[in-house]
Amino acid sequence: SQTIHQWPATLVQPVGSPLSLECTVEGTSNPNLYWYRQAAGRGLQLLFYSVGIGQISSEVPQNLSASRPQDRQFILSSKKLLLSDSGFYLCAWSVAGLRQAEAFFGQGTRLTVV
Amino acid sequence: KNQVEQSPQSLIILEGKNCTLQCNYTVSPFSNLRWYKQDTGRGPVSLTIMTFSENTKSNGRYTATLDADTKQSSLHITASQLSDSASYICVVSAQNQGGKLIFGQGTELSVKP
Repeated sequence: SQTIHQWPATLVQPVGSPLSLECTVEGTSNPNLYWYRQAAGRGLQLLFYSVGIGQISSEVPQNLSASRPQDRQFILSSKKLLLSDSGFYLCAWSVAGLRQAEAFFGQGTRLTVV
Repeated sequence: KNQVEQSPQSLIILEGKNCTLQCNYTVSPFSNLRWYKQDTGRGPVSLTIMTFSENTKSNGRYTATLDADTKQSSLHITASQLSDSASYICVVSAQNQGGKLIFGQGTELSVKP
């Protein structure tokens, strides 16, 4: 069966420090991968999505970047965190090419920038 | 611009009552529409998924409807329970965008005893 792992679950980082959040998927190949952010009391905002290794689409200009070094690995990074980067980050995957493809979410990372 | 709008933003109902959440979208060409339930601090969990040819889909006490002509969907919750308290998110994907999911802002449902 397919599973998605996202870590860490919580993270407190000082302003100006780097960030690396990792997401891996098991039990499938060539998935679509997504990074979302949910600010407090707000809906989910798509940050990046990837349809293949090295293929990253950015949805909003920001202080973050994403990389997909392997088929089932998606990394969210920042060189210097801002206070506004605080939020709940979710990784998700779906099967590419299926109209009824389900999207599965990780359990999220609560990031607090102090 | 592809958008998904949900209403109401928040809703409070008494346990045992029914409620209906609304979702309007402008995503085109439409591929599918999903409803998710998100508990606080957790990842969203899928309730239903529908393509343009499906009008209704049920999952236990949850029933979703879709009108692809008017680009509207609703999620009806029957006989609400305290555990239904959560954020309900409407998500639409377009055919030509590699499976990108477009999220609504969600409806925050609170079920009171």
